[in-house]
Amino acid sequence: NAGVTQTPKFQVLKTGQSMTLQCAQDMNHEYMSWYRQDPGMGLRLIHYSVGAGITDQGEVPNGYNVSRSTTEDFPLRLLSAAPSQTSVYFCATYAGYRGNTIYFGEGSWLTVV
Amino acid sequence: AQKITQTQPGMFVQEKEAVTLDCTYDTSDQSYGLFWYKQPSSGEMIFLIYQGSYDEQNATEGRYSLNFQKARKSANLVISASQLGDSAMYFCAMSAITFGNEKLTFGTGTRLTIIP
Repeated sequence: NAGVTQTPKFQVLKTGQSMTLQCAQDMNHEYMSWYRQDPGMGLRLIHYSVGAGITDQGEVPNGYNVSRSTTEDFPLRLLSAAPSQTSVYFCATYAGYRGNTIYFGEGSWLTVV
Repeated sequence: AQKITQTQPGMFVQEKEAVTLDCTYDTSDQSYGLFWYKQPSSGEMIFLIYQGSYDEQNATEGRYSLNFQKARKSANLVISASQLGDSAMYFCAMSAITFGNEKLTFGTGTRLTIIP
Protein backbone atom coordinates (compact mmCIF):
# COMPACT_ATOMS: atom_id res chain seq x y z
CA ASN A 1 0.00 0.00 0.00
CA ALA A 2 1.43 3.26 -1.14
CA GLY A 3 2.57 5.52 1.67
CA VAL A 4 2.45 3.09 4.64
CA THR A 5 5.42 0.83 5.28
CA GLN A 6 5.00 -1.86 7.90
CA THR A 7 7.78 -4.22 8.95
CA PRO A 8 8.48 -7.05 9.48
CA LYS A 9 5.96 -9.01 7.44
CA PHE A 10 6.57 -12.26 9.30
CA GLN A 11 8.10 -12.90 12.74
CA VAL A 12 8.36 -15.84 15.11
CA LEU A 13 9.09 -15.02 18.74
CA LYS A 14 9.68 -17.09 21.81
CA THR A 15 7.58 -16.43 24.88
CA GLY A 16 9.11 -13.62 26.90
CA GLN A 17 11.04 -12.06 24.03
CA SER A 18 10.49 -8.45 23.08
CA MET A 19 10.20 -6.93 19.65
CA THR A 20 9.06 -3.82 17.83
CA LEU A 21 6.76 -3.64 14.84
CA GLN A 22 7.58 -0.64 12.71
CA CYS A 23 5.11 1.59 10.90
CA ALA A 24 6.13 4.56 8.78
CA GLN A 25 4.04 6.83 6.57
CA ASP A 26 4.97 9.60 4.17
CA MET A 27 1.55 11.22 3.78
CA ASN A 28 1.87 13.59 6.76
CA HIS A 29 -1.19 12.03 8.39
CA GLU A 30 -1.86 13.01 11.96
CA TYR A 31 -3.75 9.85 12.85
CA MET A 32 -1.94 6.51 13.15
CA SER A 33 -3.16 3.33 14.78
CA TRP A 34 -2.38 -0.32 15.40
CA TYR A 35 -4.89 -3.15 15.16
CA ARG A 36 -4.70 -6.84 15.73
CA GLN A 37 -6.72 -9.37 13.80
CA ASP A 38 -7.11 -12.87 15.14
CA PRO A 39 -8.11 -15.71 12.77
CA GLY A 40 -11.59 -15.19 11.36
CA MET A 41 -12.10 -12.08 13.46
CA GLY A 42 -12.36 -8.35 12.97
CA LEU A 43 -9.87 -5.61 13.74
CA ARG A 44 -9.35 -4.68 17.35
CA LEU A 45 -7.72 -1.38 18.19
CA ILE A 46 -4.57 -1.64 20.30
CA HIS A 47 -3.26 1.94 20.46
CA TYR A 48 -3.70 5.06 18.41
CA SER A 49 -2.17 8.49 18.02
CA VAL A 50 -3.69 11.76 16.82
CA GLY A 51 -0.33 13.48 16.40
CA ALA A 52 3.30 13.52 17.46
CA GLY A 53 3.61 13.21 21.21
CA ILE A 54 -0.02 12.08 21.67
CA THR A 55 -1.04 8.46 22.12
CA ASP A 56 -4.02 6.73 23.64
CA GLN A 57 -5.19 3.22 24.37
CA GLY A 58 -7.63 1.26 22.28
CA GLU A 59 -9.68 -1.71 23.38
CA VAL A 60 -6.81 -4.24 23.77
CA PRO A 61 -3.72 -2.29 24.93
CA ASN A 62 -2.33 -4.70 27.53
CA GLY A 63 1.09 -6.07 26.65
CA TYR A 64 1.81 -3.36 24.09
CA ASN A 65 3.55 0.01 24.21
CA VAL A 66 3.65 2.79 21.64
CA SER A 67 5.26 6.15 21.20
CA ARG A 68 4.95 8.87 18.58
CA SER A 69 8.03 11.04 18.48
CA THR A 70 7.54 12.05 14.84
CA THR A 71 4.56 12.39 12.52
CA GLU A 72 6.00 9.69 10.26
CA ASP A 73 6.64 6.84 12.68
CA PHE A 74 4.47 4.88 15.10
CA PRO A 75 6.23 1.78 16.42
CA LEU A 76 4.42 -0.91 18.42
CA ARG A 77 6.45 -2.65 21.11
CA LEU A 78 5.75 -6.05 22.60
CA LEU A 79 7.60 -6.00 25.90
CA SER A 80 7.33 -9.68 26.85
CA ALA A 81 5.66 -11.71 24.13
CA ALA A 82 2.95 -14.22 25.06
CA PRO A 83 1.27 -16.88 22.90
CA SER A 84 -1.98 -14.88 23.21
CA GLN A 85 -0.30 -12.18 21.13
CA THR A 86 -0.07 -14.47 18.13
CA SER A 87 -2.00 -12.51 15.54
CA VAL A 88 -1.84 -10.41 12.40
CA TYR A 89 -1.07 -6.78 13.11
CA PHE A 90 -2.08 -3.88 10.91
CA CYS A 91 -0.92 -0.31 11.03
CA ALA A 92 -3.39 2.23 9.65
CA THR A 93 -3.10 5.94 8.97
CA TYR A 94 -5.76 8.50 8.31
CA ALA A 95 -5.72 12.12 7.27
CA GLY A 96 -8.01 12.96 10.14
CA TYR A 97 -11.19 14.90 10.33
CA ARG A 98 -13.02 14.66 7.00
CA GLY A 99 -10.38 12.43 5.47
CA ASN A 100 -12.04 9.95 3.15
CA THR A 101 -9.58 7.07 3.07
CA ILE A 102 -7.87 4.94 5.71
CA TYR A 103 -4.50 3.62 4.53
CA PHE A 104 -3.28 0.28 5.78
CA GLY A 105 0.09 -1.37 5.92
CA GLU A 106 0.39 -4.84 4.45
CA GLY A 107 0.15 -6.55 7.82
CA SER A 108 2.62 -8.34 10.08
CA TRP A 109 2.10 -12.03 10.84
CA LEU A 110 3.41 -12.64 14.37
CA THR A 111 3.67 -16.07 15.98
CA VAL A 112 4.68 -16.46 19.61
CA VAL A 113 5.76 -19.97 20.58
CA ALA B 1 -18.55 5.58 23.04
CA GLN B 2 -18.69 4.90 19.34
CA LYS B 3 -19.54 1.47 18.04
CA ILE B 4 -19.97 -0.34 14.74
CA THR B 5 -22.22 -3.38 14.51
CA GLN B 6 -22.19 -5.87 11.66
CA THR B 7 -24.81 -8.50 12.42
CA GLN B 8 -24.12 -10.90 9.55
CA PRO B 9 -21.09 -13.08 10.34
CA GLY B 10 -21.38 -14.85 6.99
CA MET B 11 -23.40 -14.70 3.80
CA PHE B 12 -23.73 -16.93 0.77
CA VAL B 13 -24.95 -15.32 -2.44
CA GLN B 14 -25.43 -16.61 -5.96
CA GLU B 15 -23.17 -15.09 -8.59
CA LYS B 16 -24.68 -12.08 -10.41
CA GLU B 17 -27.15 -11.36 -7.63
CA ALA B 18 -27.05 -8.11 -5.68
CA VAL B 19 -25.77 -8.22 -2.10
CA THR B 20 -26.48 -5.99 0.88
CA LEU B 21 -24.09 -6.08 3.82
CA ASP B 22 -25.50 -4.50 6.96
CA CYS B 23 -23.75 -1.97 9.15
CA THR B 24 -25.20 0.09 12.00
CA TYR B 25 -23.25 2.61 13.99
CA ASP B 26 -23.49 4.58 17.18
CA THR B 27 -21.83 7.89 17.91
CA SER B 28 -22.68 11.14 19.63
CA ASP B 29 -20.54 13.10 17.18
CA GLN B 30 -22.45 15.12 14.59
CA SER B 31 -19.69 14.94 12.00
CA TYR B 32 -18.34 11.52 11.17
CA GLY B 33 -17.22 9.36 8.30
CA LEU B 34 -18.19 5.84 7.32
CA PHE B 35 -15.98 3.43 5.36
CA TRP B 36 -16.17 -0.01 3.86
CA TYR B 37 -13.13 -2.21 3.35
CA LYS B 38 -12.68 -5.57 1.66
CA GLN B 39 -10.19 -8.14 2.88
CA PRO B 40 -9.59 -11.05 0.49
CA SER B 41 -7.95 -14.27 1.61
CA SER B 42 -4.54 -12.76 0.80
CA GLY B 43 -5.01 -10.47 3.79
CA GLU B 44 -4.63 -6.93 2.49
CA MET B 45 -7.22 -4.28 3.26
CA ILE B 46 -8.82 -2.76 0.17
CA PHE B 47 -10.73 0.51 0.38
CA LEU B 48 -14.17 0.36 -1.25
CA ILE B 49 -16.24 3.41 -0.42
CA TYR B 50 -16.62 6.41 1.90
CA GLN B 51 -19.65 8.38 3.12
CA GLY B 52 -19.45 11.61 5.10
CA SER B 53 -22.21 12.29 7.60
CA TYR B 54 -23.11 15.55 5.89
CA ASP B 55 -23.12 14.08 2.38
CA GLU B 56 -26.67 14.22 1.11
CA GLN B 57 -26.19 11.75 -1.71
CA ASN B 58 -25.41 8.09 -1.17
CA ALA B 59 -21.82 7.33 -2.17
CA THR B 60 -21.21 5.13 -5.20
CA GLU B 61 -18.03 3.61 -6.58
CA GLY B 62 -18.59 1.38 -9.59
CA ARG B 63 -20.54 -1.70 -8.45
CA TYR B 64 -20.45 -0.51 -4.84
CA SER B 65 -22.93 1.85 -3.26
CA LEU B 66 -23.52 2.85 0.31
CA ASN B 67 -27.12 3.01 1.48
CA PHE B 68 -26.83 5.74 4.11
CA GLN B 69 -29.82 6.20 6.42
CA LYS B 70 -28.74 8.77 8.96
CA ALA B 71 -31.83 8.68 11.16
CA ARG B 72 -31.55 4.92 11.49
CA LYS B 73 -27.75 5.11 11.88
CA SER B 74 -27.18 2.56 9.18
CA ALA B 75 -24.61 2.45 6.39
CA ASN B 76 -25.23 -0.69 4.40
CA LEU B 77 -22.95 -1.69 1.53
CA VAL B 78 -24.69 -2.77 -1.67
CA ILE B 79 -22.76 -4.75 -4.28
CA SER B 80 -24.56 -5.01 -7.58
CA ALA B 81 -24.12 -8.01 -9.88
CA SER B 82 -21.84 -9.97 -7.58
CA GLN B 83 -18.77 -11.74 -8.96
CA LEU B 84 -16.71 -14.67 -7.71
CA GLY B 85 -13.93 -12.22 -6.90
CA ASP B 86 -16.19 -10.50 -4.39
CA SER B 87 -15.77 -13.43 -2.01
CA ALA B 88 -13.95 -11.88 0.94
CA MET B 89 -14.32 -10.43 4.40
CA TYR B 90 -15.97 -7.00 4.50
CA PHE B 91 -15.49 -4.46 7.26
CA CYS B 92 -17.49 -1.36 8.07
CA ALA B 93 -15.64 1.41 9.89
CA MET B 94 -16.34 4.85 11.33
CA SER B 95 -14.28 7.88 12.18
CA ALA B 96 -15.69 10.10 14.90
CA ILE B 97 -14.63 12.25 17.82
CA THR B 98 -14.54 10.42 21.15
CA PHE B 99 -13.57 12.31 24.33
CA GLY B 100 -12.01 15.05 22.23
CA ASN B 101 -9.93 12.75 20.06
CA GLU B 102 -10.79 11.41 16.65
CA LYS B 103 -10.91 7.64 16.58
CA LEU B 104 -11.43 4.92 14.00
CA THR B 105 -13.64 2.01 14.95
CA PHE B 106 -14.19 -1.18 12.94
CA GLY B 107 -16.98 -3.72 12.96
CA THR B 108 -16.38 -7.44 13.35
CA GLY B 109 -16.85 -8.06 9.66
CA THR B 110 -19.03 -10.13 7.33
CA ARG B 111 -17.59 -13.03 5.37
CA LEU B 112 -19.19 -13.04 1.91
CA THR B 113 -19.04 -16.13 -0.27
CA ILE B 114 -20.22 -15.93 -3.87
CA ILE B 115 -21.54 -19.22 -5.24
CA PRO B 116 -21.08 -19.95 -8.96
